[in-house]
Amino acid sequence: ETGVTQTPRHLVMGMTNKKSLKCEQHLGHNAMYWYKQSAKKPLELMFVYNFKEQTENNSVPSRFSPECPNSSHLFLHLHTLQPEDSALYLCASSPHGAATYNEQFFGPGTRLTVL
Amino acid sequence: AQSVTQLDSQVPVFEEAPVELRCNYSSSVSVYLFWYVQYPNQGLQLLLKYLSGSTLVKGINGFEAEFNKSQTSFHLRKPSVHISDTAEYFCAVSDLNSGNTPLVFGKGTRLSVIA
Repeated sequence: ETGVTQTPRHLVMGMTNKKSLKCEQHLGHNAMYWYKQSAKKPLELMFVYNFKEQTENNSVPSRFSPECPNSSHLFLHLHTLQPEDSALYLCASSPHGAATYNEQFFGPGTRLTVL
Repeated sequence: AQSVTQLDSQVPVFEEAPVELRCNYSSSVSVYLFWYVQYPNQGLQLLLKYLSGSTLVKGINGFEAEFNKSQTSFHLRKPSVHISDTAEYFCAVSDLNSGNTPLVFGKGTRLSVIA
């Protein structure tokens, strides 16, 4: 248990659905991240929030929309996804902001399947 | 941009045998280096990290890694593996010359320990 929780753990959705992934950290960290993990590919950084400000958006399609209402919560809103978006979505947090030397603490992930 | 190469996608090894998981990164003057482990159905967990100082870094669960600047490598080793070490292992690098750049991960190496 790393102190980072993600809900739901599994999600199946159609291409026309709208859903949201939730991440919560109980560690007092002030940077949070969304990653996409697909089979046989490196972990892909999607978004970074540093002290609640979005500081990184790695050319992610607009059908993925992040939200960070406070330093403990991070959401990923999904709409009109494609089958190739099926993957494990990991949330992470780190202390002292998104500095390069910081360890990141990961949640267990949400396994997303788009039909 | 920084890149990470994990040469072996899968490494089978017998219990109590030694193991080395290889990691190379693209050349840079200053980097921070990390190894993370992912057990089935879980998020990533930090094994060890190199920031500065001694090139031999010791981590949790008996793992260690050696930073070799001339070979741009950061190989992970364990002298005697256990069944419980079966997991996916990820090497990651932060490039200090690129500002506040988040981690770049390799594709991972699946370690399978055979009884």
